[in-house]
Amino acid sequence: ETGVTQSPTHLIKTRGQQVTLRCSSQSGHNTVSWYQQALGQGPQFIFQYYREEENGRGNFPPRFSGLQFPNYSSELNVNALELDDSALYLCASSRSWTSGSYNEQFFGPGTRLTVL
Amino acid sequence: AQTVTQSQPEMSVQEAETVTLSCTYDTSENNYYLFWYKQPPSRQMILVIRQEAYKQQNATENRFSVNFQKAAKSFSLKISDSQLGDTAMYFCAFMKHGSDMRFGAGTRLTVKP
Repeated sequence: ETGVTQSPTHLIKTRGQQVTLRCSSQSGHNTVSWYQQALGQGPQFIFQYYREEENGRGNFPPRFSGLQFPNYSSELNVNALELDDSALYLCASSRSWTSGSYNEQFFGPGTRLTVL
Repeated sequence: AQTVTQSQPEMSVQEAETVTLSCTYDTSENNYYLFWYKQPPSRQMILVIRQEAYKQQNATENRFSVNFQKAAKSFSLKISDSQLGDTAMYFCAFMKHGSDMRFGAGTRLTVKP
């Protein structure tokens, strides 16, 4: 069983640029959540995708957007990058909650984004 | 809104000893889950232990156990027989049923030989 993978590992961008981060979910998982983890802080929920639709969003501006593909992999896009966007971006996959029971989120290793 | 507070930014413990990490949370929900995650320097977030709020019995996983006090909204993690490999950031997290996960700011634990 393949775990959650993310690419790239590291990325350096300049202010105003756009970036796309990628996440491949674990086999059998149809839900992907994205988190931003600033240095020295806990992860903050950005949004979640279920069956290619956004299924919940945290307190992030619209320049943070995402996609989920039919194979349940996902992208996080950030436009007009700001210095404060520098962080570790984590994705986590899980099965959906439709079964009524908790399904564990499995995290990827993250993408370290530096905005200069 | 649900908030999670970890009041200990850093802690250290001698190898083989026991350490307890604190976590409090605020919610009006009755059906929720609590978690402790470990994040080593390699960055991969690993689930340590999970507690369902409807269960009165405290969860245990080998050397890891929790003290869940629902009325006090407290959820501490006890690590027994600490090992060097336990050195990591530890995050307490809250999730209400079917929703997103909320994390605390973390506690940096160092196990000293």
